[in-house]
Amino acid sequence: DVKVTQSSRYLVKRTGEKVFLECVQDMDHENMFWYRQDPGLGLRLIYFSYDVKMKEKGDIPEGYSVSREKKERFSLILESASTNQTSMYLCATDSSGNTIYFGEGSWLTVV
Amino acid sequence: ELKVEQNPLFLSMQEGKNYTIYCNYSTTSDRLYWYRQDPGKSLESLFVLLSNGAVKQEGRLMASLDTKARLSTLHITAAVHDLSATYFCAVDHKTSGSRLTFGEGTQLTVNP
Repeated sequence: DVKVTQSSRYLVKRTGEKVFLECVQDMDHENMFWYRQDPGLGLRLIYFSYDVKMKEKGDIPEGYSVSREKKERFSLILESASTNQTSMYLCATDSSGNTIYFGEGSWLTVV
Repeated sequence: ELKVEQNPLFLSMQEGKNYTIYCNYSTTSDRLYWYRQDPGKSLESLFVLLSNGAVKQEGRLMASLDTKARLSTLHITAAVHDLSATYFCAVDHKTSGSRLTFGEGTQLTVNP
């Protein structure tokens, strides 16, 4: 079974703090994605990556950056957290595009 | 810009009844996904529909895809309480690999 692990499940951070959310997958998939989920808005794509050291902006990249130094690890970075970034963040991965696997989610509260 | 709309957004139904959730999308795509999400949990893949006319069934759920109408349906047959969850459809951006745009989700409650 594909395992997508988001190490931080619940975080509370202060406005202006730098926040790292990490995602690790164990299936050697090329493609990795970061989404945020908010009530009534579904999931929205923040950034994605098709290869190591490669990144592409999604639909809502403002206020975020990403890092992919190794194939299995894709990190989402909030350089200076703000209250409107309070959300659930979901990492996803796939290789062929037929099935996309999601992590368990990271609940971030910015106060 | 690809837009994906689901309706209804909220659905309350009785056990044993049938109902359909609709997913409309705005631009050409031939790959559509349905996911289920339980409260506080991640997304569970239900169906991947890869071509026009595709129909897939699993238990009481059946999904279909009409690429010409840009419409997918998720049909629920003889609903049971365990089907209570939020259901999302997601459409693949045809020119961008497996980048998905999601609908808003349909919150389904099945009452005894």
